[in-house]
Amino acid sequence: KAGVTQTPRYLIKTRGQQVTLSCSPISGHRSVSWYQQTPGQGLQFLFEYFSETQRNKGNFPGRFSGRQFSNSRSEMNVSTLELGDSALYLCASSLKRVNNEQFFGPGTRLTVL
Amino acid sequence: TQLLEQSPQFLSIQEGENLTVYCNSSSVFSSLQWYRQEPGEGPVLLVTVVTGGEVKKLKRLTFQFGDARKDSSLHITAAQPGDTGLYLCAGQDDYNQGGKLIFGQGTELSVKP
Repeated sequence: KAGVTQTPRYLIKTRGQQVTLSCSPISGHRSVSWYQQTPGQGLQFLFEYFSETQRNKGNFPGRFSGRQFSNSRSEMNVSTLELGDSALYLCASSLKRVNNEQFFGPGTRLTVL
Repeated sequence: TQLLEQSPQFLSIQEGENLTVYCNSSSVFSSLQWYRQEPGEGPVLLVTVVTGGEVKKLKRLTFQFGDARKDSSLHITAAQPGDTGLYLCAGQDDYNQGGKLIFGQGTELSVKP
């Protein structure tokens, strides 16, 4: 079974631009969560989607948004990029929502100049 | 806000030594997961513990969930250079929070031959 895939793996953007990241979960997994990982803050939860509905949201500004499609693939969008948005963005999928095991993709490394 | 405090943050040991990593919180978690992450990759799930007092073994790794489900530990026996990496604990804080995981800051382990 293929794992979680994320595209692109690397991105370089400038301040003020917007970016869209994509995540394809493991086949059959309906829950997709997004996390931001930085050296200073570690892994922080962004949001979770289940059956195309946002079920949970972390403490990030409205510039961060996401969506999930009927095939469970998910995208996250960051608008008006800031230098502090430079991070590894990780997507994780799971079969269930509760007491579930989450499987992470390799991440997208975003650098904002 | 629920927090998971992980210690130590950095650990450098010689091959063959034993070590323990701790993950503590003042909050109860419905489940707790341990991950290992290598540079440039996403975290890889090692184990999930859900019952207070539960002990799970994975070869030379022993995981324990505290009786009150507020803390956990990871013990590695006879560490090997291949154990080098970032170890992360992550808790699911509430049955209703679904896929949201709260991560500890991580323990950077370096095992020297």
